[in-house]
Amino acid sequence: DGGITQSPKYLFRKEGQNVTLSCEQNLNHDAMYWYRQDPGQGLRLIYYSQIVNDFQKGDIAEGYSVSREKKESFPLTVTSAQKNPTAFYLCASRDPGQEQFFGPGTRLTVL
Amino acid sequence: KQEVTQIPAALSVPEGENLVLNCSFTDSAIYNLQWFRQDPGKGLTSLLLIQSSQREQTSGRLNASLDKSSGRSTLYIAASQPGDSATYLCAVWGDRGSTLGRLYFGRGTQLTVWP
Repeated sequence: DGGITQSPKYLFRKEGQNVTLSCEQNLNHDAMYWYRQDPGQGLRLIYYSQIVNDFQKGDIAEGYSVSREKKESFPLTVTSAQKNPTAFYLCASRDPGQEQFFGPGTRLTVL
Repeated sequence: KQEVTQIPAALSVPEGENLVLNCSFTDSAIYNLQWFRQDPGKGLTSLLLIQSSQREQTSGRLNASLDKSSGRSTLYIAASQPGDSATYLCAVWGDRGSTLGRLYFGRGTQLTVWP
C-alpha cells in the first residue's frame, strides 16, 4: 500500500528531553512537510523540504529540527527549547503541482 | 502574507440537506486550492484539488468551485449524511517567492449532520 506512516501514534515526553517523531512515505514524493495542530488554531507549518538534503523553516520552527537524508524519510526532533510542545503533529508529502497527502499523526504530550 | 478564512466555523444540519461551505483568501496569486476532511484525532484526507486554471472540480456528492480573482472557493455537499460529519479545511498553494511550495490553511468548518 502506498502512503505515509508516522510513528509513534502517541508519545510522552518529560520536560527537558528531546524526542524524535518519525515520518516515512513510499509515494516517491519529492516534497515533505511537518505541521503542528492545536485546538482552535488550525495547522501551522514547522518545516518543509522540497528535495533531499534541503529544507526550509516554516512559521514556527523555533525549538524544532529536521533532516532530509533520504527521499522517503523526514524525521522531526522536538528539542527541549520548545516550551510548549504538547500538540498533534502531522507529516505530509506531495509532488509539485499535485495533491498533498497526510499521515495519521503523532500526539505528543509533555508530562 | 496569505490568509485563509472559512465561514461558518461550525454548522449543524439534519440529514439530507444540501450544504455550502465558504473559503476566502487574501492573495489571489495562488497555484491551486485543495479541500480536506479531518475526522477527530486523525490526519487530513484530501477531497478535491482545483488547479488555478480550473473553475470547479467534482467528486461524487462534492463539488468545489474556485474564483481566483475574487479570492473565493465554495465546497458544495449534496444530500448530506451523518457520515459527512467532520471538519472541512480549505488550503491554498502559494505560487511565488516565499509562498512557493507552501500550503496556507483556514481553520476549518466543523460539520455535524444528524439523522
